[in-house]
Amino acid sequence: GQSLEQPSEVTAVEGAIVQINCTYQTSGFYGLSWYQQHDGGAPTFLSYNALDGLEETGRFSSFLSRSDSYGYLLLQELQMKDSASYFCAARGGQNFVFGPGTRLSVLP
Amino acid sequence: GAGVSQSPSNKVTEKGKDVELRCDPISGHTALYWYRQSLGQGLEFLIYFQGNSAPDKSGLPSDRFSAERTGGSVSTLTIQRTQQEDSAVYLCASSKPGTNNEQFFGPGTRLTVL
Repeated sequence: GQSLEQPSEVTAVEGAIVQINCTYQTSGFYGLSWYQQHDGGAPTFLSYNALDGLEETGRFSSFLSRSDSYGYLLLQELQMKDSASYFCAARGGQNFVFGPGTRLSVLP
Repeated sequence: GAGVSQSPSNKVTEKGKDVELRCDPISGHTALYWYRQSLGQGLEFLIYFQGNSAPDKSGLPSDRFSAERTGGSVSTLTIQRTQQEDSAVYLCASSKPGTNNEQFFGPGTRLTVL
């Protein structure tokens, strides 16, 4: 089958750095995407890794290791507005699978 | 420019009724996706259209669910004989040609089956 696993919750304080991990098992893997979803809102795209290594976009970075079937999202200089759910996602064949989501709570 | 739009934003229906949900993708986006999200849960993939064609319909939960896309644009998701377990937010997304990895989501339709 196709599945992605993430921690259910992460808590950190403002200004800190947090890493959200994602392990995956999909056939026909193309790459790993990350989305952010605030309560009551729609998911918004953050980043995508097709190749191994680190992709940096402002305060957010994402990493992929195909050999380990593993990736992570790194959020730096955390702000209160970063409190949201974060989903990793991958394409497996003609299906698009999302992880269960990690709820990030940023404390003052 | 305009984003992905969905209608209605909210739908309350009685068990056993049919419902039709509509999605207008971003102009020029060739791929369109339907997902379902229950409260506090992740996104469940339902179906994907490349143009007007859906290569794989196995993500649809049952034969009560069907979807179509016409003119490479608007898509409708139809649920027949709704059940209480169909209650969820139904999200539609679209993406540019060749970029399935970056999907733009609409605001969703919240379906409540009484």
